[in-house]
Amino acid sequence: EAQVTQNPRYLITVTGKKLTVTCSQNMNHEYMSWYRQDPGLGLRQIYYSMNVEVTDKGDVPEGYKVSRKEKRNFPLILESPSPNQTSLYFCASRQQGTQYFGPGTRLLVL
Amino acid sequence: GDSVTQMEGPVTLSEEAFLTINCTYTATGYPSLFWYVQYPGEGLQLLLKATKADDKGSNKGFEATYRKETTSFHLEKGSVQVSDSAVYFCALSTNTGFQKLVFGTGTRLLVSP
Repeated sequence: EAQVTQNPRYLITVTGKKLTVTCSQNMNHEYMSWYRQDPGLGLRQIYYSMNVEVTDKGDVPEGYKVSRKEKRNFPLILESPSPNQTSLYFCASRQQGTQYFGPGTRLLVL
Repeated sequence: GDSVTQMEGPVTLSEEAFLTINCTYTATGYPSLFWYVQYPGEGLQLLLKATKADDKGSNKGFEATYRKETTSFHLEKGSVQVSDSAVYFCALSTNTGFQKLVFGTGTRLLVSP
């Protein structure tokens, strides 16, 4: 089954404790991206990747890092999380103009 | 820059009522337009899309027409069901550069029996 998976689905952490949210797709898509969803703001792009080893900032990249060492994986790294990064995060991959989204990761930073 | 404006929610309807969710956009060039749906606790799923002016996207009884003259892509359904309760996002993808996807803020639909 074609899908985008994310882990964990839910995470509670404390300020400053590094964390990684994994994202994997099995559709051999070149383009992948990360979004955060906040009430009243819709989805905003954090980072995207056009292919392996090619990443770039989206609209709200501050406080986040990404890497793309393999085509299927695109982890999101929060080196020092802060409470304003409490949000719902979605990974997506894209082929021919259509984006496929993961199920989301709900993060709470205390 | 490119942007999408959706009507504020929630939209509350009774089952079998007619649904319209308004969406207008601002973009340079000729964007592709999308409606995504997010059911409770799930990720976004593509509902329908249209890639050029006057195209009509349709799926699961929903439809939307790409209106270039009014820069609109309103979502409609003739008879909603309780199972249609969800958040609906209008989005555009530019046809230049890396085709960034720009989302509206989402409209929550609540359908009661």
